[in-house]
Amino acid sequence: RKEVEQDPGPFNVPEGATVAFNCTYSNSASQSFFWYRQDCRKEPKLLMSVYSSGNEDGRFTAQLNRASQYISLLIRDSKLSDSATYLCVPHMTTDSWGKFQFGAGTQVVVTP
Amino acid sequence: NAGVTQTPKFQVLKTGQSMTLQCAQDMNHNSMYWYRQDPGMGLRLIYYSASEGTTDKGEVPNGYNVSRLNKREFSLRLESAAPSQTSVYFCASSELAFTGELFFGEGSRLTVL
Repeated sequence: RKEVEQDPGPFNVPEGATVAFNCTYSNSASQSFFWYRQDCRKEPKLLMSVYSSGNEDGRFTAQLNRASQYISLLIRDSKLSDSATYLCVPHMTTDSWGKFQFGAGTQVVVTP
Repeated sequence: NAGVTQTPKFQVLKTGQSMTLQCAQDMNHNSMYWYRQDPGMGLRLIYYSASEGTTDKGEVPNGYNVSRLNKREFSLRLESAAPSQTSVYFCASSELAFTGELFFGEGSRLTVL
């Protein structure tokens, strides 16, 4: 089993709709979680950090389920500009500095 | 504000040739990283440098070497390029690892023929 698994998508979402997708992780010791967004052929950029059960930032909500070892990202009122690939990154604070294990990403396509 | 700057942005090599990817950051970050990204594979860590003067292997270090030249610069060298090293390479930096925020360069697209 991969350490981090994401549905590659694409999730095709009408503008204004809500979309949610999950990221499962295998290491139960993961304590922090990060969502990055990556636009086509661009560099990843941090979208959201999750240190407890979840986090909300505007239209974006991350929810952590430690028992089932997955974290979800929900996007409400989708905008065309939300079209991107969303990368999940679990991390153990006791782990080595460099060990941010990136998922392969979930592609979201918001259509007019 | 430049952030993380990588050069070159594009490069085509023949098998066996060598090259160095350069990376510089102007945010006074201690930690720097080199990742490669291949379709369907996500970002994989090649090498990282927690602080000036130290480097450590990541997940896929074979075929690469790195140099942390100073606090600002972290270079990645391919001594004898192979087609399997065709990829997009990203340099990143961070101040404190636990915040999770990595600042990435724009990427270097390398093709090895």
